[in-house]
Amino acid sequence: SQTIHQWPATLVQPVGSPLSLECTVEGTSNPNLYWYRQAAGRGLQLLFYSIGIDQISSEVPQNLSASRPQDRQFILSSKKLLLSDSGFYLCAWTQGQGSFFGQGTRLTVV
Amino acid sequence: GQSLEQPSEVTAVEGAIVQINCTYQTSGFYGLSWYQQHDGGAPTFLSYNALDGLEETGRFSSFLSRSDSYGYLLLQELQMKDSASYFCAVRSISSGSARQLTFGSGTQLTVLP
Repeated sequence: SQTIHQWPATLVQPVGSPLSLECTVEGTSNPNLYWYRQAAGRGLQLLFYSIGIDQISSEVPQNLSASRPQDRQFILSSKKLLLSDSGFYLCAWTQGQGSFFGQGTRLTVV
Repeated sequence: GQSLEQPSEVTAVEGAIVQINCTYQTSGFYGLSWYQQHDGGAPTFLSYNALDGLEETGRFSSFLSRSDSYGYLLLQELQMKDSASYFCAVRSISSGSARQLTFGSGTQLTVLP
């Protein structure tokens, strides 16, 4: 069966520090992968999606970037975090009709 | 671009039926799906409609009218554990053939005893 792993679950980082969140998918090949961010009490904002290795599309211009070095690995990064980067970050992949999410990373920038 | 509208809050009592509506504007429409999210957790997939009509999955049903750009999620025999946020999401085809999923802002359902 397919599973999606995302880590870490929680993260507290100072302003200006770098960020790297990793997501891996098991049990499938060539998945469409997505990074979303959710502010407290809000909906999910699509940040990046990828249809294949090194194929990344950005939805919202900001100081975040994404990379897909391997078929089943999707990484979200930042060189310098801002306070406004705080939120709940979710990695997801699609299969058939549904999208399936990792456990999420709750990022607090202080 | 895509946009979705759904009520921000709905309250109902245990055992009742509740309907959460969703209207959308999008290009390249592919389907409408629904997700449930409990506090602190990740969204979980509930249902999907690509064609007009009603899809039933246990106590949950979802409806789509593509001509009206409208859908709803129907929850029957409400239970306390159904208290959660419910999101509608439009799946659309973007450039590059990726199927984008754009979410509404969510409806907070509170089930009262």
